[in-house]
Amino acid sequence: EVQLEESGGGLVQPGGSLRLSCAASGFTFSSYSMNWVRQAPGKGLEWVSHISFSSNTIYYADSVKGRFTISRDNAKNSLYLQMNSLRDEDTAVYYCARDYYQRIDYWGQGTLVTVSS
Amino acid sequence: EIVLTQSPGTLSLSPGERATLSCRASQSVSSSYLAWYQQKPGQAPRLLIYGASTRATGIPDRFSGSGSGTDFTLTISRLEPEDFAVYYCQQYGRSPMYTFGQGTKLEIK
Repeated sequence: EVQLEESGGGLVQPGGSLRLSCAASGFTFSSYSMNWVRQAPGKGLEWVSHISFSSNTIYYADSVKGRFTISRDNAKNSLYLQMNSLRDEDTAVYYCARDYYQRIDYWGQGTLVTVSS
Repeated sequence: EIVLTQSPGTLSLSPGERATLSCRASQSVSSSYLAWYQQKPGQAPRLLIYGASTRATGIPDRFSGSGSGTDFTLTISRLEPEDFAVYYCQQYGRSPMYTFGQGTKLEIK
């Protein structure tokens, strides 16, 4: 069974930093590209970032480019999102999501990031 | 950037009825890259349909997808109580990589 478990969310002040982690199990993590997708409270879904299985290809949404960094450790079956210079509008549930042929086929349960003073 | 517009914003129907949800793209989208997701309160989204019309693993056959170009439709042939949720369409592109519609809330009438 595919499982994705996010951690690392919490309350942070504007301008602060936070590192999210996603532990993957139930599939060969090193064979799949991965994404982070977020959802602000009461709002829709917004794709944040993508990393290929080998980390060779990385993409970001314009809204986070230059502030967020996606990475992975295939030996640890883990995906990460380093978030710097956080803003109020970054407040959201962040989902770790598996990429499969131009669609997202599995999602974690999400971790809440709240940016507030 | 391709914008996906879903309609209606809210759809009120009764169990047993047929639901038709629309997703319109601002530019032509490859059918191969159009997907639909279901999200229930407090839960992560779940993949329903990919390639515009192919059901994902374990999705009941009352769910069907159709369309091409700029107009796509998700149809639920006969609503079950567990189908009341928010539905999102999504397309795969270049920049940004994934774009979602704003969602359609399917509520019990």
